[in-house]
Amino acid sequence: AQSVAQPEDQVNVAEGNPLTVKCTYSVSGNPYLFWYVQYPNRGLQFLLKYITGDNLVKGSYGFEAEFNKSQTSFHLKKPSALVSDSALYFCAVIKAAGNKLTFGGGTRVLVKP
Amino acid sequence: EADIYQTPRYLVIGTGKKITLECSQTMGHDKMYWYQQDPGMELHLIHYSYGVNSTEKGDLSSESTVSRIRTEHFPLTLESARPSHTSQYLCASSGQYSNQPQHFGDGTRLSIL
Repeated sequence: AQSVAQPEDQVNVAEGNPLTVKCTYSVSGNPYLFWYVQYPNRGLQFLLKYITGDNLVKGSYGFEAEFNKSQTSFHLKKPSALVSDSALYFCAVIKAAGNKLTFGGGTRVLVKP
Repeated sequence: EADIYQTPRYLVIGTGKKITLECSQTMGHDKMYWYQQDPGMELHLIHYSYGVNSTEKGDLSSESTVSRIRTEHFPLTLESARPSHTSQYLCASSGQYSNQPQHFGDGTRLSIL
C-alpha cells in the first residue's frame, strides 16, 4: 500500500517570506513524487515532479522541492512567497512502474500582504 | 495549459434526474480518471480507464458509471441523482508511463436539490 501525508491543513505566511509545504510518503519500491496546485474553481495544475537523479527539483512559478529518501519526504518550497501563491497544494506519489497515483489530503496556503 | 475539457462547469438539478458529465482530452492520452473532491479538499478516485473499452472502479465507491468508447472521451453518468451526489467532479488524463503527470480539467460542480 502507498500513502501520502500532508501534516498541515493550512500554512500562513507573509508575502516575501519563505514558504514550505510539507509532504511525507510511504511506498514500496522507488517513488515518483508530484506536486500540484489548485486555484479556486479550477482543476489541479502540475507544478513539479521527482523521478530520479538530483534530489532538488525545480518547477513552475519559482517552486522547488527536495526529495529526502531517508526521511521519506518531499517538501515543497518557495524562497519568497507571493499573494498569488495562495491556493491548495497537493502532494502525490506513485510507485515506479505502478498504476495508481495516491494524493495527500491537501494543504491550504494563505499568503498575506 | 493542458487540453482537457469538462462540461458543464456548474450544474444544479433536481433529485431523480439522469446526469452526464462530459470530459474530453485532445492529448491522445490512453489513461483517464474521474475524481470526486470533497468541500474539505480531499480527492477520491472513483473511476479510471487505461484505454478504449477499459473502465475500472476506483477507491471510493460511487453510484456513477463511466464509458470509454473513444480515446478522447470519458463521460460519467448518474442514472438517478440524489443530494448525496452533490460534489465537485474532476476529470484527468495522463500518458502511459507512471512518471508522467496527470492533467486535470477545471471540474464540474454538481448540486442536487
